[in-house]
Amino acid sequence: SQQGEEDPQALSIQEGENATMNCSYKTSINNLQWYRQNSGRGLVHLILIRSNEREKHSGRLRVTLDTSKKSSSLLITASRAADTASYFCATVITDSWGKLQFGAGTQVVVTP
Amino acid sequence: KAGVTQTPRYLIKTRGQQVTLSCSPISGHRSVSWYQQTPGQGLQFLFEYFSETQRNKGNFPGRFSGRQFSNSRSEMNVSTLELGDSALYLCASRWTGDTEAFFGQGTRLTVV
Repeated sequence: SQQGEEDPQALSIQEGENATMNCSYKTSINNLQWYRQNSGRGLVHLILIRSNEREKHSGRLRVTLDTSKKSSSLLITASRAADTASYFCATVITDSWGKLQFGAGTQVVVTP
Repeated sequence: KAGVTQTPRYLIKTRGQQVTLSCSPISGHRSVSWYQQTPGQGLQFLFEYFSETQRNKGNFPGRFSGRQFSNSRSEMNVSTLELGDSALYLCASRWTGDTEAFFGQGTRLTVV
């Protein structure tokens, strides 16, 4: 079973627009991570946010975490065609070292 | 710094055979974990090794096994292959169990 559920499942936007995707999870976490995957290749780590953090930025990425609602969001600002990919949230549950529990992912298509 | 290397990249096997996949982590990383990715089930955790010890295991049958060597390289083995084992198998390495994971490009296994 998957810990996280992502919303929306698919997102189609134009270059320059912002893309927002959400992730909800079920149990207490140590941290939550976001990954990107291009066309069935390996996953690339984007950002990690710990349970005691509320917001984190990295370049054009902004991640928020609300542990009371067990949810997180990823915002990509000023999207580019190269941002076309699947985005996954993954949680590290407290006392479950090494195990990333992934959501189903959001497929993002950015058209020029 | 070399990334995570998985070999082979592609494999075609027949039902009933067994297969061994290999993963070389980033130098200095002692945590190696394995994931199975399929269109139907998404990304599922198989197991995680740290300093040659299996610390965590997912909900997969005993046909799926793994090990880690003293140089942190890891192998996973699937015996008595079934059609449903066709998937992308991803290996990830980390410094510790709760930090960001670096993924290899995966091994695409097709069982016919």
